[in-house]
Amino acid sequence: AQTVTQSQPEMSVQEAETVTLSCTYDTSESDYYLFWYKQPPSRQMILVIRQEAYKQQNATENRFSVNFQKAAKSFSLKISDSQLGDAAMYFCALNNDMRFGAGTRLTVKP
Amino acid sequence: EPEVTQTPSHQVTQMGQEVILRCVPISNHLYFYWYRQILGQKVEFLVSFYNNEISEKSEIFDDQFSVERPDGSNFTLKIRSTKLEDSAMYFCASSEFYRGDYEQYFGPGTRLTVT
Repeated sequence: AQTVTQSQPEMSVQEAETVTLSCTYDTSESDYYLFWYKQPPSRQMILVIRQEAYKQQNATENRFSVNFQKAAKSFSLKISDSQLGDAAMYFCALNNDMRFGAGTRLTVKP
Repeated sequence: EPEVTQTPSHQVTQMGQEVILRCVPISNHLYFYWYRQILGQKVEFLVSFYNNEISEKSEIFDDQFSVERPDGSNFTLKIRSTKLEDSAMYFCASSEFYRGDYEQYFGPGTRLTVT
């Protein structure tokens, strides 16, 4: 069975600082994809970043990057230079079955 | 920019009633999905749909649920006899291709309240 675990229900970061959100997963597939989605108060889900499991290089999208550790089945999201608009729920998701983690609520302090 | 739309934004219904949630996927997308999110909880996959058939469904998607693409643009989720525990946000999504790294585009959601 595919599972996704986010062990941090809430995180807080000071504006302009860096924060890392954790995600671990379990799957028996050898090839798969991982995603981080952002859900702001408007509740619409927005894709932040994706990672292909067969690629060793960590994905990067502007201020967002991942630390993908395939052997450890870990997929953390790093947000650099945090902005007030980054405040949201962040969901880690596995593959296109979209098994979501429970989410991490990120608060950004001015 | 194309987007997925959902109507209504909020639906209130009485327990035991049937509800139909509507979605208009992005026009060139071929794969469609429904998810639900009980307030404060994680997003849960319900069903995926392609070529007028269900591709995959979760254990949540029981006989009370059905999906349909009644015309070339709409994609609907029907709950036959609503229960209190069906109260949730329901998100529709669509993608150009299935699985892989193809992004699913989500609609804004329909908040379903069952009283």
